[in-house]
Amino acid sequence: GAVVSQHPSRVICKSGTSVKIECRSLDFQATTMFWYRQFPKKSLMLMATSNEGSKATYEQGVEKDKFLINHASLTLSTLTVTSAHPEDSSFYICSAKRSYNEQFFGPGTRLTVL
Amino acid sequence: TQLLEQSPQFLSIQEGENLTVYCNSSSVFSSLQWYRQEPGEGPVLLVTVVTGGEVKKLKRLTFQFGDARKDSSLHITAAQPGDTGLYLCAGGKTGANNLFFGTGTRLTVIP
Repeated sequence: GAVVSQHPSRVICKSGTSVKIECRSLDFQATTMFWYRQFPKKSLMLMATSNEGSKATYEQGVEKDKFLINHASLTLSTLTVTSAHPEDSSFYICSAKRSYNEQFFGPGTRLTVL
Repeated sequence: TQLLEQSPQFLSIQEGENLTVYCNSSSVFSSLQWYRQEPGEGPVLLVTVVTGGEVKKLKRLTFQFGDARKDSSLHITAAQPGDTGLYLCAGGKTGANNLFFGTGTRLTVIP
């Protein structure tokens, strides 16, 4: 199966700092990656679609200046949470599209903002 | 508004019992995926179905795509504690890059 990694798996930061999360497809190239946010005991909420070599597409209600996405290569997308606040604390998950409509997910990043 | 509604939302059963999870929509999908997610981890793809009426089996799990490609079901036979997790269905649409995720079903199998 396809493997997607995320780093870091957990991060704790102070309010006002920025945090970068990396998502890598390890054994396939992905022109499209996705970033999700998941609240406790809830389903996935799509935040944005990351396209290699172009600007990300954000879902309604997601601040693009707050959640910066860069997809610089076919195997790497990064999500930077800028000026993080406690309400940004959440479980962030990335996925990479391999073919057709199959997405393979990373293990997630637990962000805690103090 | 969630395009895909799953039922039940929560399910707690004894080991050895059978169960079915439903994923329903008024929209037509070109594909339907099922994922299982354990706490603190990302979802893991279980199966993809693309043809109306298609049935796929994965050991004790049976997946079915509705004839009209608007709904799907997941049936688990003789559930085991290792089946515990959040089950998510997700639909793909032609021309859309992203998947539309269901509301989720949290399954607990009690030993």
